[in-house]
Amino acid sequence: EADIYQIPRYLVIGTGKKITLECSQTMGHDKMYWYQQDPGMELHLIHYSYGVNSTEKGDLSSESTVSRIRTEHFPLTLESARPSHTSQYLCATRYGSNEKLFFGSGTQLSVL
Amino acid sequence: ILNVEQSPQSLHVQEGDSTNFTCSFPSSNFYALHWYRWETAKSPEALFVMTLNGDEKKKGRISATLNTKEGYSYLYIKGSQPEDSATYLCASLNQAGTALIFGKGTTLSVSS
Repeated sequence: EADIYQIPRYLVIGTGKKITLECSQTMGHDKMYWYQQDPGMELHLIHYSYGVNSTEKGDLSSESTVSRIRTEHFPLTLESARPSHTSQYLCATRYGSNEKLFFGSGTQLSVL
Repeated sequence: ILNVEQSPQSLHVQEGDSTNFTCSFPSSNFYALHWYRWETAKSPEALFVMTLNGDEKKKGRISATLNTKEGYSYLYIKGSQPEDSATYLCASLNQAGTALIFGKGTTLSVSS
């Protein structure tokens, strides 16, 4: 089983602050994903990566950015947080195209 | 954008009842269909990954079927137990085959 970690679990921050949500995995999976979920809504894909130095935007437009300098890490950054960014952010990995996703525990972000 | 629809949105059953949910997805350019269970305060966990028309998979009291020609999948739970209470998500690979697109989920509540 994949081990995937998200830090922090909860974050409350003021408008205008720069934040980075960490996602790390120990299984060496090439494919990593960031999903955003608002209450009562579906998980929306905002970013994905197929490997080191590979990043793509998902179906839902997001003001966040990601990087993939190392296989293990896929951090998500918001340069200037706004209340509209309040949401749950889930990181996930998988090995192959038809393999299941392994999810982290999520980061619940609240921007005041 | 690929639309994945799930019904019902929520469901309440008594312990011992059997139940089923529906997931519909565009049948063109189908790649794979995933089912996940998401319990409160936990990460989503994969139940099934299905790729072939007519596929039927089973895990304990839970089973799923797949019809790729008409674009639907059913998830069945036999003899529901309180521990089955969760949100059940289905997801389909997008048309580029790059990442999973999720439905809004069916939230199941089982009373003892």
